Amino acid sequence: DAMVIQNPRYQVTQFGKPVTLSCSQTLNHNVMYWYQQKSSQAPKLLFHYYDKDFNNEADTPDNFQSRRPNTSFCFLDIRSPGLGDAAMYLCATTGSTNQPQHFGDGTRLSIL
Amino acid sequence: EDQVTQSPEALRLQEGESSSLNCSYTVSGLRGLFWYRQDPGKGPEFLFTLYSAGEEKEKERLKATLTKKESFLHITAPKPEDSATYLCAVQASNQAGTALIFGKGTTLSVSS
Repeated sequence: DAMVIQNPRYQVTQFGKPVTLSCSQTLNHNVMYWYQQKSSQAPKLLFHYYDKDFNNEADTPDNFQSRRPNTSFCFLDIRSPGLGDAAMYLCATTGSTNQPQHFGDGTRLSIL
Repeated sequence: EDQVTQSPEALRLQEGESSSLNCSYTVSGLRGLFWYRQDPGKGPEFLFTLYSAGEEKEKERLKATLTKKESFLHITAPKPEDSATYLCAVQASNQAGTALIFGKGTTLSVSS
């Protein structure tokens, strides 16, 4: 049974057209993460939430925003996608420090 | 700067041909080292966590070991279904929350 669910699995958007990716979890974990993974690259952390506390990585572009309305859901908003934002976006959760992160199957974003 | 380097980038094995994947890390204080398996188009799947030098974990044909500078993922008598990209990630004590630093991965192909 999927515990971290990402929708949609594939998303195509136009250059500059805002897009929202969603993640939901059934694990009741208090920490949620968004990673960007480009082809043959390591996943790169964009930001994470510890409960409602938002933590942005220093090099995450301002174009990327996130919302976490409740424990189960988290959204990634890309305000004006550029061609360089085409990637796999991975959501992950964990219950506490030192525990493994559980990943969803990602959303593959394409930019036309 | 905290860093994770995996080698080789790609590895081709015959079924039954044992080998090892390497993960070298440089972090200012290791909280934990994690191994994940990633199949094409999927999110990373958790395999092992190692916390201290000398620790070993095993699961089926996989065995992970940890020293103060590197970790090895040993694959004994691999089967074609072991083909995947194996990612190593570290959690450093100076990282906010539970953020992981990933290596680029080793892509393993096992042929019958």
